[in-house]
Amino acid sequence: DVKVTQSSRYLVKRTGEKVFLECVQDMDHENMFWYRQDPGLGLRLIYFSYDVKMKEKGDIPEGYSVSREKKERFSLILESASTNQTSMYLCASSSGTSVSYEQYFGPGTRLTVT
Amino acid sequence: DAKTTQPNSMESNEEEPVHLPCNHSTISGTDYIHWYRQLPSQGPEYVIHGLTSNVNNRMASLAIAEDRKSSTLILHRATLRDAAVYYCIPLSPNDYKLSFGAGTTVTVRA
Repeated sequence: DVKVTQSSRYLVKRTGEKVFLECVQDMDHENMFWYRQDPGLGLRLIYFSYDVKMKEKGDIPEGYSVSREKKERFSLILESASTNQTSMYLCASSSGTSVSYEQYFGPGTRLTVT
Repeated sequence: DAKTTQPNSMESNEEEPVHLPCNHSTISGTDYIHWYRQLPSQGPEYVIHGLTSNVNNRMASLAIAEDRKSSTLILHRATLRDAAVYYCIPLSPNDYKLSFGAGTTVTVRA
């Protein structure tokens, strides 16, 4: 079974702090994704990576950056955390980017910025 | 993007089938219909997807209407573990971005 793990289930940070969220997948997938999920707004893509060191912006990249130095690891960075970045952050991976490939999600990190 | 309409909630008894409808009347001819679910406090989980014909896997069946304007996810024998929010998502062939709406909250009674 594909396993996607995220570094923390719950995280509390202060406004202005730099925050690192890490994601690791064990299935040698090329593609990795960072989403955030908010009540009423659903799931939204922040960034997508299709290979090591390659990335594409999603719908809401502002205030975030990403790093993919190794195939199995995809990090989301909040450069200066703000309260409107309080959310559930979900990492996913897939072996392809066409519609035939399902995405496998991690358990999520619930981030609270105070 | 095609819009979807799903009931807000559905209830079922354990061991009984659950039929979850999804209306996607604006779907294009090449859009696939994907279903994901999200158990409480967990990340989303892929369930099934299809294009035109009905599809089965170990988790569920997907029945797609002949005009493709609607589909139904069928859980054949609901268990307590199937209590989740179920999302119906039309995706174009090269679309990798998932976008969930409100979905259907399924409650399973023991």
